[in-house]
Amino acid sequence: AQTVTQSQPEMSVQEAETVTLSCTYDTSENNYYLFWYKQPPSRQMILVIRQEAYKQQNATENRFSVNFQKAAKSFSLKISDSQLGDTAMYFCAFMKPTFYNNDMRFGAGTRLTVKP
Amino acid sequence: EADIYQTPRYLVIGTGKKITLECSQTMGHDKMYWYQQDPGMELHLIHYSYGVNSTEKGDLSSESTVSRIRTEHFPLTLESARPSHTSQYLCASSERTGLLNTEAFFGQGTRLTVV
Repeated sequence: AQTVTQSQPEMSVQEAETVTLSCTYDTSENNYYLFWYKQPPSRQMILVIRQEAYKQQNATENRFSVNFQKAAKSFSLKISDSQLGDTAMYFCAFMKPTFYNNDMRFGAGTRLTVKP
Repeated sequence: EADIYQTPRYLVIGTGKKITLECSQTMGHDKMYWYQQDPGMELHLIHYSYGVNSTEKGDLSSESTVSRIRTEHFPLTLESARPSHTSQYLCASSERTGLLNTEAFFGQGTRLTVV
């Protein structure tokens, strides 16, 4: 079974600085998807960024980028120029591309606080 | 904004009552999920479905039940609520994997308090 580990329960960063959230996973699969989700306080969970395992190039979305190390099974999220609105719980998720199974796993989350 | 809706957003109910948490999505997604999440904590999958008339139990044992009679609707029912059921319940849906849009979309959640 796949497992996802986020080793940083809480992190904080000053506004405008850069922060990196860590995520590791365990799988024997070669083809899969990885995600970072953001859950602001009392608000809806939304997708931040997605990475397909077969792509070597790291995904980027504006201020958000990932460092995907397939051999090391590592998938960290870098937030540049942190903003107050980035304060949220961040969940790393793994999805195996099969249809008839429960194929999405989440990490325990990292609570990020951006300080003014 | 994702087209997946949960009602009610907040619910306070007495012990022993029967409740149904509603979840609907308008994206035509085959797969739907229910997660239980204590505030600020990790998500635990309690139920999922990969289409009409299919339901499966997730990793976390739950006394709740679900049904999937229509593609767009995936309600969760507690026959007799207890204080231990107090939590946030998140509904999600995703498209059949293998296509581009594989991520899960989440509803806003239902925060349930059983007193």
